[in-house]
Amino acid sequence: DAGITQSPRHKVTETGTPVTLRCHQTENHRYMYWYRQDPGHGLRLIHYSYGVKDTDKGEVSDGYSVSRSKTEDFLLTLESATSSQTSVYFCAISEGTGTVDGYTFGSGTRLTVV
Amino acid sequence: AQSVTQLDSHVSVSEGTPVLLRCNYSSSYSPSLFWYVQHPNKGLQLLLKYTSAATLVKGINGFEAEFKKSETSFHLTKPSAHMSDAAEYFCVVSLFDTGRRALTFGSGTRLQVQP
Repeated sequence: DAGITQSPRHKVTETGTPVTLRCHQTENHRYMYWYRQDPGHGLRLIHYSYGVKDTDKGEVSDGYSVSRSKTEDFLLTLESATSSQTSVYFCAISEGTGTVDGYTFGSGTRLTVV
Repeated sequence: AQSVTQLDSHVSVSEGTPVLLRCNYSSSYSPSLFWYVQHPNKGLQLLLKYTSAATLVKGINGFEAEFKKSETSFHLTKPSAHMSDAAEYFCVVSLFDTGRRALTFGSGTRLQVQP
């Protein structure tokens, strides 16, 4: 989607290794989110940010950390990847809390932990 | 209790027939509601949104949804299905009474359209 880029698009990694996914936006939106998508669960919120250095946990935050040192970048880190973290990860952005206009989503990162 | 429930995980219709995808929510106040669509191996696209204006909301590609507060429902409909409508659809709600300033997604409904 225009204005939001996720990298990498695909990654295969080994159990126990650290992994960092990047979300970059050019919209200057205040809010950024990380979701994971798994069959039968829809999208579940991992972490979100409501400003530089301001982050909060979502419903499935265990095993994940985030950082936001500048408005345009929101990083998701798996400190020690496990097979249960194999998933498709989506980043999203919103100007406000999303209650008026919803979110704009990135194209996703498919992560496989072997 | 689940706060957003999509009542059907799979729906199959024939091309040209109506589509109904059901969504119920639980919230202590009137939330904002959305429907998103995801085509295979793609990201998510906003179909329509309800933000406390008109209860019947029209979206893209001929879809519409009706907010019914008494039934806590926000079902998605389309009069006539097209093959290109085959995708996964997510009902999404703002449930800020959970303490999180983020939207909550239903588990999704996969729509199949038969020729």
